[in-house]
Order: sequence, then C-alpha cells, then structure tokens
Amino acid sequence: KAGVTQTPRYLIKTRGQQVTLSCSPISGHRSVSWYQQTPGQGLQFLFEYFSETQRNKGNFPGRFSGRQFSNSRSEMNVSTLELGDSALYLCASSTTGVGNTIYFGEGSWLTVV
Amino acid sequence: SQKIEQNSEALNIQEGKTATLTCNYTNYSPAYLQWYRQDPGRGPVFLLLIRENEKEKRKERLKVTFDTTLKQSLFHITASQPADSATYLCALRVINNNDMRFGAGTRLTVKP
Repeated sequence: KAGVTQTPRYLIKTRGQQVTLSCSPISGHRSVSWYQQTPGQGLQFLFEYFSETQRNKGNFPGRFSGRQFSNSRSEMNVSTLELGDSALYLCASSTTGVGNTIYFGEGSWLTVV
Repeated sequence: SQKIEQNSEALNIQEGKTATLTCNYTNYSPAYLQWYRQDPGRGPVFLLLIRENEKEKRKERLKVTFDTTLKQSLFHITASQPADSATYLCALRVINNNDMRFGAGTRLTVKP
C-alpha cells in the first residue's frame, strides 16, 4: 500500500509569509504527527492529531498550527515565517499513535529567505 | 531537564565488524524505545521497537537492548556492510504521552 505522502516536497518562502504543508497518511492510519528537523536541533515533535483532534503538542510557538480532516489527511501551517523556520518538516502516521510503529513521509523542505 | 543523548555524532567502522550505537536518556519514563534509520534527504525508517519490560530484541543483523536501570539502549549491527551507512536515531515514547522524543542521531559510516 502507498506510504505517507507529503506535498510539496520543496518550497521557498519569504520571511513574513505563511506556508501550508499537506500530509496524506497510510490508508487506515488515524494518527498523524508532525516533526521539524534541523541540523542544529534534530527531530523535534510539533503536534499529533487523532480523529481530527489534537492530542499532544510540542514546544513550538503559536505560529505553528495544524489540523486533521475526517479522511485523516492533515495539514500544518506556519504563519509569519522566520529564517529559523527553514527545515525539513516530516509527517508520520500510525494506526493508533500509542505503542505502534510510526511511518514517516519523505518530508517537505522549507527554505525561508 | 529531559535529555536523550546518542553517544557520538559519527561512528566509522570497517566492513564486517559490529557497530554499536548508544542511546542514553535522563528524566524520562519511557513506555518503549525505537530505533530508526535515516538516509540523507529522506524520512526516518523504523527498524526496531523494544518495550520497557523487554531486555533484548533481534531482527536479522540488528539487535537492540534496553536497560531501564541504566536508562540506556544499545543498538548493534553485526557483520556491517557499506549499505548500512546512514544516520541512526533513537526515539522514546513516554508513558501517558503520545509524542515521540528523538535523539540527535549517530551517523554511521561503514568502510569497505
């Protein structure tokens, strides 16, 4: 079956703009989580959604937000982009999200200039 | 403060040898620990999961141990091959929490 799909794969934005990233989980997976990966900070947890509800949230400012739709697809949004938001944004899905393997997508590379 | 530390940023070994990577954690009570492989420009790929009540898990050439007293996990790749060259990440899922916390990773290079 198809893996986790993230779009777009690459994008360049200007400081102050906003961006929306999309994630389609593996079919049947209801949990979607988002991570930010940078060389300096490594993989950091942003938030997790399950059945359209945010279950957990990492230590990121309110500029980072997300949502999940009834078909389990998820989007994350970053408003008022800063240079430091340049990173690889990874989406991961799992069946219940607790105690199960999570499967990552290939990520969306965001560059803020 | 809570920390997950992987023993080194980089590890170089000769083909055929056993690679051993370390993951130490502090101020966590993990329900389980996972190891992932990540190749440049790609998302992490799950390798092994070990629960808090398990001491050891094996999968082909991979072995993971979990010592909750020492707060440490060891990840071994036996008979290493150049194709094993990648960054390996450990991750904790804490009890009563749904997010995963990742270490910074160890970049393994296996030389022919």
